[in-house]
Amino acid sequence: GAGVSQTPSNKVTEKGKYVELRCDPISGHTALYWYRQSLGQGPEFLIYFQGTGAADDSGLPNDRFFAVRPEGSVSTLKIQRTERGDSAVYLCASSLGQNTGELFFGEGSRLTVL
Amino acid sequence: AQSVAQPEDQVNVAEGNPLTVKCTYSVSGNPYLFWYVQYPNRGLQFLLKYITGDNLVKGSYGFEAEFNKSQTSFHLKKPSALVSDSALYFCAVRDRESGYALNFGKGTSLLVTP
Repeated sequence: GAGVSQTPSNKVTEKGKYVELRCDPISGHTALYWYRQSLGQGPEFLIYFQGTGAADDSGLPNDRFFAVRPEGSVSTLKIQRTERGDSAVYLCASSLGQNTGELFFGEGSRLTVL
Repeated sequence: AQSVAQPEDQVNVAEGNPLTVKCTYSVSGNPYLFWYVQYPNRGLQFLLKYITGDNLVKGSYGFEAEFNKSQTSFHLKKPSALVSDSALYFCAVRDRESGYALNFGKGTSLLVTP
């Protein structure tokens, strides 16, 4: 497709469960970002990939969060042992990879942990 | 460290009047600055950016922003507001020397009334 695609758009899970969120970036974009947006807040940086490698994972809140991008395109954000505080909209963005470039965002995956 | 402050949670303006949405930033080096807009149930959309050169940058939908290094500000402006401009606006900063992650402000809700 033409834009960044994220699935699922909505996910409801129970505390303690495992969740995977998928991001399909714009074709040809080497850089991929994950952000988290809580209600009333701006997007909070989680992790940045350049190609297949995580170039900056300083925003991941703890070791329950992990992300992969094995072939340099699609990325999966994985959350283990979910907690109610993980409830948020998880945003994926991609860019051409220069640090002057703008990010193109998907519509997000809304995660609700009951 | 880098951060963005958007001091106003909400800005109200009448249609046809000029609008300003404020943003100040803090970076250790020189900044790249961005504005994004978020419409209800839509992904973040890029509006404009300052990389270098002219302090006044023009972007989408008639918006512009002025980079002021001495005041560390990057206020978003539009000469004549439209009702359709009502949305959530986010300012973001990237330190050009230290990384690729964009740091976002908490957002300002713009309401343009007829």
